[in-house]
Amino acid sequence: DTAVSQTPKYLVTQMGNDKSIKCEQNLGHDTMYWYKQDSKKFLKIMFSYNNKELIINETVPNRFSPKSPDKAHLNLHINSLELGDSAVYFCASSRQGTSGANVLTFGAGSRLTVL
Amino acid sequence: AQTVTQSQPEMSVQEAETVTLSCTYDTSESDYYLFWYKQPPSRQMILVIRQEAYKQQNATENRFSVNFQKAAKSFSLKISDSQLGDAAMYFCAYSVNNDMRFGAGTRLTVKP
Repeated sequence: DTAVSQTPKYLVTQMGNDKSIKCEQNLGHDTMYWYKQDSKKFLKIMFSYNNKELIINETVPNRFSPKSPDKAHLNLHINSLELGDSAVYFCASSRQGTSGANVLTFGAGSRLTVL
Repeated sequence: AQTVTQSQPEMSVQEAETVTLSCTYDTSESDYYLFWYKQPPSRQMILVIRQEAYKQQNATENRFSVNFQKAAKSFSLKISDSQLGDAAMYFCAYSVNNDMRFGAGTRLTVKP
C-alpha cells in the first residue's frame, strides 16, 4: 500500500486552465504539506495543514488554494494556470509530535507542465 | 527566518570512496531537527538520516553518518564506501514545529 499517494503523476495543460492535484495518506498522520520543486530542484514549502487546519501559508499566489476535507486528504487546486506554475508538486505528511519535527513522508510527486 | 545553505551544487566520488556533503543553517531556536533526504532520478524523496539538535551524539545509518556541530550550525553528511546507487540529489533540511525547510541540494555523481 502506498503511504502517500498523489494523483495525477503527470499533468499537461494549457495556460489559463484550472487544475487540481489530489493527495491522500494512509499513515494516520496529523499534518500534511504541499511543496513545489522548480526546474532548478529548489524545494519550497507552500502550505501545511494540521488536522484540517491551515498552519503554514507561504507567499503563494491566490490562484493556489489547498483544501483538506479530512486529515487524510490534502488537495491542491490551481486557477488560471501560468507558465511559471510548471514544476513538480510534492505532497507530504508527518505525525505531530513534540517541538521539533517528525519525519516527512513524501508522495511520488506530480509533474505539472503548462503550455 | 530559518535558512539552509548547501554550498556544493555538485560533488563527485569514486565508487567505494568516501564523500562529505556540507550543510549549514541559520536559526535562533535551540530545539530543532535536521535531516538529509536523497532524491534519485525517480524523483522520490527518501529519508537518509535525521538528527535531533538536543543530542550531542552524531547519527549514523549504515554507510551514512553526520557531523553535527551545533555551535557552528553545521550538519555535514558523510557517505562511506560509495555505491553507484548513491548517485542522486541530496537535500539538507531543517525543521522546527513541523515546518521543514530545505537547502538547494547537492548533486552527487558516483564514478565506477
